[in-house]
Amino acid sequence: KAGVTQTPRYLIKTRGQQVTLSCSPISGHRSVSWYQQTPGQGLQFLFEYFSETQRNKGNFPGRFSGRQFSNSRSEMNVSTLELGDSALYLCASSRNVRDNEQFFGPGTRLTVL
Amino acid sequence: QQQVKQSPQSLIVQKGGISIINCAYENTAFDYFPWYQQFPGKGPALLIAIRPDVSEKKEGRFTISFNKSAKQFSLHIMDSQPGDSATYFCAALVEGANNLFFGTGTRLTVIP
Repeated sequence: KAGVTQTPRYLIKTRGQQVTLSCSPISGHRSVSWYQQTPGQGLQFLFEYFSETQRNKGNFPGRFSGRQFSNSRSEMNVSTLELGDSALYLCASSRNVRDNEQFFGPGTRLTVL
Repeated sequence: QQQVKQSPQSLIVQKGGISIINCAYENTAFDYFPWYQQFPGKGPALLIAIRPDVSEKKEGRFTISFNKSAKQFSLHIMDSQPGDSATYFCAALVEGANNLFFGTGTRLTVIP
């Protein structure tokens, strides 16, 4: 069974631009969560999607948004990029909202110049 | 505010020794406590997890000890191997929320 896949793996953007990251969950998994990992702040929850609906949102500004499609694939978008948005963005999937086991993808490394 | 506190920040253990990483939490609504292992350039991988209705869970060389009254839990890695060298994260969440709160991580180095 294929794991969580994320594309692209690496991205370089400049301040003010916007970026879209993609996540394909494990087959059969319907819940997708996004996390940001930085050396300073560690791993922080961004948001969770289930059945194309955002269920939970972390403490991030509105520049961070996401969506989920009917096939459970998810995208997150960051608009008006800032230098501090440079991070590893991780996607995790679980079977459903009652199944707490979350499996992470390899992440997308975003660098903002 | 860090909801899950993890220590130590780094740990060096000899091959064959026991690695112990500790975590503490404040939110008594947490009811699922996983540990993740992360290698450089990779995403975190789920190692083992426990719920507060049990005090210990063992899977191979990995054991979680859970103390509900003290709001603490720990990971023990028995017979530590150089291949265990990685960063370990404890985490916690409330049932059904799927919002993991992570500790700050422990960088484990196992020397041959």
